[in-house]
Amino acid sequence: QKEVEQDPGPLSVPEGAIVSLNCTYSNSAFQYFMWYRQYSRKGPELLMYTYSSGNKEDGRFTAQVDKSSKYISLFIRDSQPSDSATYLCAMRLGQAGTALIFGKGTTLSVSS
Amino acid sequence: DTAVSQTPKYLVTQMGNDKSIKCEQNLGHDTMYWYKQDSKKFLKIMFSYNNKELIINETVPNRFSPKSPDKAHLNLHINSLELGDSAVYFCASSPSSGMLNTEAFFGQGTRLTVV
Repeated sequence: QKEVEQDPGPLSVPEGAIVSLNCTYSNSAFQYFMWYRQYSRKGPELLMYTYSSGNKEDGRFTAQVDKSSKYISLFIRDSQPSDSATYLCAMRLGQAGTALIFGKGTTLSVSS
Repeated sequence: DTAVSQTPKYLVTQMGNDKSIKCEQNLGHDTMYWYKQDSKKFLKIMFSYNNKELIINETVPNRFSPKSPDKAHLNLHINSLELGDSAVYFCASSPSSGMLNTEAFFGQGTRLTVV
């Protein structure tokens, strides 16, 4: 079993839809949880991060972490064609400088 | 100003050659990384350096050798390139302490093709 599981999709939705992206993980020691967005032929850029369990909202994006279920989610409201990208969940242990462990990424396409 | 810059952006080379990829960050971060992204877009850590010291060395063939001349630079040298080394290699950096230590900034990637 891989440490972080993420459905690669692809996921296609119409503009304005609510998108739900999810990851599960096996290592209960993970403490920091992140979502990165990667446009084609670009480097990943940090979208959201949360520490431990809970919700965090930033504009149209909401990140949720449920450590008891080892499950994290990213919700995108009112999706836009500019949201079309690959979304990568990532997580790491608590120690400074530890590497991110990524999911395989979900490719999202939002059609106008 | 580019935060994390890698050169070259594209690299096409023959099997058996030796090549280097350079990375520089101007963010003042203490920790730098090399990640490999395969054709299925799976991003995996290869190496991590903190203040020029190697702290993570994943199971990577010893044909790959990172070098950090100072904490703003982390280069990757690859000997005897193989077809399976074809991938996109990303350099990243992060602060090693403080509330922002979760945020890794990535470069634009170096697309390596071995023919």
